[in-house]
Amino acid sequence: AQSVTQLGSHVSVSEGALVLLRCNYSSSVPPYLFWYVQYPNQGLQLLLKYTSAATLVKGINGFEAEFKKSETSFHLTKPSAHMSDAAEYFCAVLKSSGDKLTFGTGTRLAVRP
Amino acid sequence: NAGVTQTPKFRILKIGQSMTLQCTQDMNHNYMYWYRQDPGMGLKLIYYSVGAGITDKGEVPNGYNVSRSTTEDFPLRLELAAPSQTSVYFCASSYGGGPQHFGDGTRLSIL
Repeated sequence: AQSVTQLGSHVSVSEGALVLLRCNYSSSVPPYLFWYVQYPNQGLQLLLKYTSAATLVKGINGFEAEFKKSETSFHLTKPSAHMSDAAEYFCAVLKSSGDKLTFGTGTRLAVRP
Repeated sequence: NAGVTQTPKFRILKIGQSMTLQCTQDMNHNYMYWYRQDPGMGLKLIYYSVGAGITDKGEVPNGYNVSRSTTEDFPLRLELAAPSQTSVYFCASSYGGGPQHFGDGTRLSIL
C-alpha cells in the first residue's frame, strides 16, 4: 500500500523567509504526486502536481516542488514567504490514474510579520 | 462555473438523527468523492464513485451511505448520527484520476 508522510505538523517562518514543507512517499512505482493548500474555512485547492514529465514542478503563488526518486521525496518550497501563504498544506500520492488519492496528515504553515 | 457546491455549510444534529449532505458539480466530472477531515488526521475517504450508478467504499464507510443517480450529484447520507461523526465533510470531483476539485465543506456537529 502506498502512503505519504509529511514531516512537521506545524511550521513557522518569518515573512520573506524560505518556506520548506516536507513530503515523503512510499510507492513501488513512480507515482503521481500533488500538493494542495487549504485556507481557513475552505476546501482544498491544487497547488501543483507531478506526473513524470519534469522533476521540478512549478505551481501557483510562487510555490514549486522537486521530485527526487532516490529520496522518495516531493518537498514543497517557496523562496520568500508572504503573510497570505498562511494555510494548511497537504501532500497527496496517486499510484495510477485509476487509483485513489492518499493524503498526508497536513502541515500548518504560520508566517510571522 | 460554480465547480463543486456543498450544502449545508453548517449543521448541528442530535444523536440518532439522520441527514443528507448534498454535493453537486457542474464540470461533467465522472469521478466524485466524499472525505471527512478531522484535526491532525488529514482527509479520509468515505465513499467514491467513478460514474452514475457506480459507488464504492473508501477507507471509513461505516455509518454512511451514498448514491449516484446522475453525473452531477453525489449525496452522502448519515442514517443514525453518532458523536464520532462530528467532522468537516468535503466533496470532490475529478475527470478520471486527475486532480480533484473540492467543495468548501460541510461542518457537522453531533451532540
